Amino acid sequence: GAVVSQHPSWVICKSGTSVKIECRSLDFQATTMFWYRQFPKQSLMLMATSNEGSKATYEQGVEKDKFLINHASLTLSTLTVTSAHPEDSSFYICSATSGGVTEAFFGQGTRLTVV
Amino acid sequence: GQNIDQPTEMTATEGAIVQINCTYQTSGFNGLFWYQQHAGEAPTFLSYNVLDGLEEKGRFSSFLSRSKGYSYLLLKELQMKDSASYLCASMDSNYQLIWGAGTKLIIKP
Repeated sequence: GAVVSQHPSWVICKSGTSVKIECRSLDFQATTMFWYRQFPKQSLMLMATSNEGSKATYEQGVEKDKFLINHASLTLSTLTVTSAHPEDSSFYICSATSGGVTEAFFGQGTRLTVV
Repeated sequence: GQNIDQPTEMTATEGAIVQINCTYQTSGFNGLFWYQQHAGEAPTFLSYNVLDGLEEKGRFSSFLSRSKGYSYLLLKELQMKDSASYLCASMDSNYQLIWGAGTKLIIKP
């Protein structure tokens, strides 16, 4: 199956700093990428959908100025958590699809801990 | 509204069979997915159904009834490594996945 690489796998940062998470599709062109957040013992919560070359579409309740998403190429999307706070600590997962594929391929996830 | 329902937790015995049910209600329908997620890891794809009926893939099978808005995942010959959460997700008319909360499956020896 297709491979989506997410980096870093885990990160610890100080409150008030920014963290960038990368999501790369290694062997296919990802026209659409999805960013999810998952709190312990809960399901995936869609944060935003990004299409290559256009602005991301954010879900209700997700602050677009806090969670900056860039999808500048067909193989790379980034999520930047700006001015992170302890309540932003969570598991962040990206997934990617291309036009002809119905299955969403997931990255490995990034565990963010803000101290 | 859009809604996915699946049991919160199930327990089964090693070597046995377990069926995890999922009912869905979404705006449009473009298929039903099942994913497996081990604690601390990203989900991994198990199955995709878009037509009614049973799809068999090794020890795992998935069933869909579109008229009933119902699916199940059947796991046979359970192994300890099958202990995980199983996520049901329906793809709506905008090709977005609507996720259930997941079913935590506990396998006992």
